[in-house]
Amino acid sequence: GAGVSQSPRYKVAKRGQDVALRCDPISGHVSLFWYQQALGQGPEFLTYFQNEAQLDKSGLPSDRFFAERPEGSVSTLKIQRTQQEDSAVYLCASSPGQRGKLFFGSGTQLSVL
Amino acid sequence: SQQGEEDPQALSIQEGENATMNCSYKTSINNLQWYRQNSGRGLVHLILIRSNEREKHSGRLRVTLDTSKKSSSLLITASRAADTASYFCATETQGGSEKLVFGKGMKLTVNP
Repeated sequence: GAGVSQSPRYKVAKRGQDVALRCDPISGHVSLFWYQQALGQGPEFLTYFQNEAQLDKSGLPSDRFFAERPEGSVSTLKIQRTQQEDSAVYLCASSPGQRGKLFFGSGTQLSVL
Repeated sequence: SQQGEEDPQALSIQEGENATMNCSYKTSINNLQWYRQNSGRGLVHLILIRSNEREKHSGRLRVTLDTSKKSSSLLITASRAADTASYFCATETQGGSEKLVFGKGMKLTVNP
């Protein structure tokens, strides 16, 4: 595809449920990033991959958050035992890996009830 | 944590006027980038300025960088209603990973 694709676009979960959010980066992009954006705030860094290697996961808020990119392309962000404070837009971005601009997907809006 | 701080937090202007947004940051950087976000959408890259550059232009956009003051400004000239969006500055920390650290953003409204 032409851009970064995220699915689902919207996700409603009951508190305590596990969710999985998918990101399809631009083909050939080496670097992949996950961000969390609360309403009215800027994106907060969660984690970063270079190919299949997770090089930085310093932003993951708790051990309930887990991300993977097993074949160096598609990535999944998993949140276990969701809580209300996990409600946010989760943004995925990719880049060619040359420390330049990021290309963002439209995000997944997660609402935990 | 968010490094950048945009100022003002909200700005409302008339079409045709210029809009200036300022960003301050805390650490040494490799580059600083500006992004735009329309409501409910992902972020779109506008312009990147490297730490050894002082000014850069792209169409109606002009960005400046003052590393001694750890600040940057984004100027949008001859604004249009379509420029209505939130604007974020983001920095890549020197010596850090490739990740960008974003500010809280600034809401620009351009009235027709």
